[in-house]
This record gives sequence, C-alpha cells and structure tokens, in this order.
Amino acid sequence: GAVVSQHPSRVICKSGTSVKIECRSLDFQATTMFWYRQFPKQSLMLMATSNEGSKATYEQGVEKDKFLINHASLTLSTLTVTSAHPEDSSFYICSARPTGGYYGYTFGSGTRLTVV
Amino acid sequence: AQSVTQLGSHVSVSEGALVLLRCNYSSSVPPYLFWYVQYPNQGLQLLLKYTTGATLVKGINGFEAEFKKSETSFHLTKPSAHMSDAAEYFCAVIYNTDKLIFGTGTRLQVFP
Repeated sequence: GAVVSQHPSRVICKSGTSVKIECRSLDFQATTMFWYRQFPKQSLMLMATSNEGSKATYEQGVEKDKFLINHASLTLSTLTVTSAHPEDSSFYICSARPTGGYYGYTFGSGTRLTVV
Repeated sequence: AQSVTQLGSHVSVSEGALVLLRCNYSSSVPPYLFWYVQYPNQGLQLLLKYTTGATLVKGINGFEAEFKKSETSFHLTKPSAHMSDAAEYFCAVIYNTDKLIFGTGTRLQVFP
C-alpha cells in the first residue's frame, strides 16, 4: 500500500534556528501534499497545501515566511520552520495524495518539534 | 461554514463491548467521509472511507460505519472492543475541495 515517510520523527532545536522536515511518498507519486499541525490533545489543523512545481497555498493565519514549504518533486515535500520559537513547538504531520487518486490520503508518522 | 462534529471527546467501554463513535457533518451536499485512527505520537491511519455506493462501509480492524444522509451522520462502530482499540479517532470530510476537514477527535478508552 501507499507509504509516506516523514523525517525526522523528533527534533529539538534552539530558539532562533531553523528546522527542516521532510515528507516522502515512497511508492507513489504525489502531486499534492498537505501539512498539518497538531497541538496536544487537539485535532489536526491544516497549515498549507503543497503542489509539485508551484507555490504552496497557506491557510488563513499561517505565516508563510515562517513555515516555508517546498515541493520540488513528485515524491518529496519539505516544511522548514524558520527562526523557530518555543510557541512553534508542536506535532507536525504531512499527508500525500497520489496523482490521480482523489480519495487516497496517506499520512506520515509525524514530527515532534521542541524548541528550547 | 462547512464542518464536521464529533460528539463526545472521550468514550470509555469495557473490553468486548460495543464501540460507537459519533460523527455528523454539516452540508446539504453529502461530502466524502473518512475515519482515521491515531496512536500516541504517530500519524493517522485510515480505517475506512465513504465516497459513493453502499452506505455501510467496512474498514480495517473490524470497524464499520454507515452513511445516513437523512441524519447527516457517519458513525463508527465495532461490535466488540479490544484493548488495542484504545486510541484517538478522527472523523474527516472532503467537501468541494481536496482538503480534509477534521473533527475534534474522540479518545477511546477500553477497560479490561
């Protein structure tokens, strides 16, 4: 079945530094990938939609300059948290939709970001 | 605004008992409907989905859900709970875009 690999699973960084999270579709091509943020004991909030070869579409209230998204190939999307602050600490999850597959959303295993 | 509502943030059942997790959507046009399960510090795993066709959908791990248009509901059930079913469950919908909209989640606890 479709597999999405997300790396790293956990990262601790110092305040003011940047962190990159990778999301790879291992056995399928994904024209569209999605990035979510999840606070403890809460639901997933969509941050942005990443389309291969074009700019990401950010949800209202999400700072695009802080959360940089790059989708340079059909199997890889990256989320870079720039100038991270403690309030950026959260669980980030990506999902990928196979090209031509409207209903198959596969999720990565998530990245726990802690900014100290 | 289009949304999805999960009634009950916590549900507790005994092992072997019926599991019922509620989900209602808000739209006159039936959306595509999904149930996902999340274990601690992990991503989401698809349990089942409804797009078109048969309204009773069977998923993995013995779960099933029934799409009821008249009630705008898509409740998740399992006849007999197992300890391993303890997790967070999310109902999600797709309306007229390709964005998944998630409910607030229901934490299922299973007691021996």
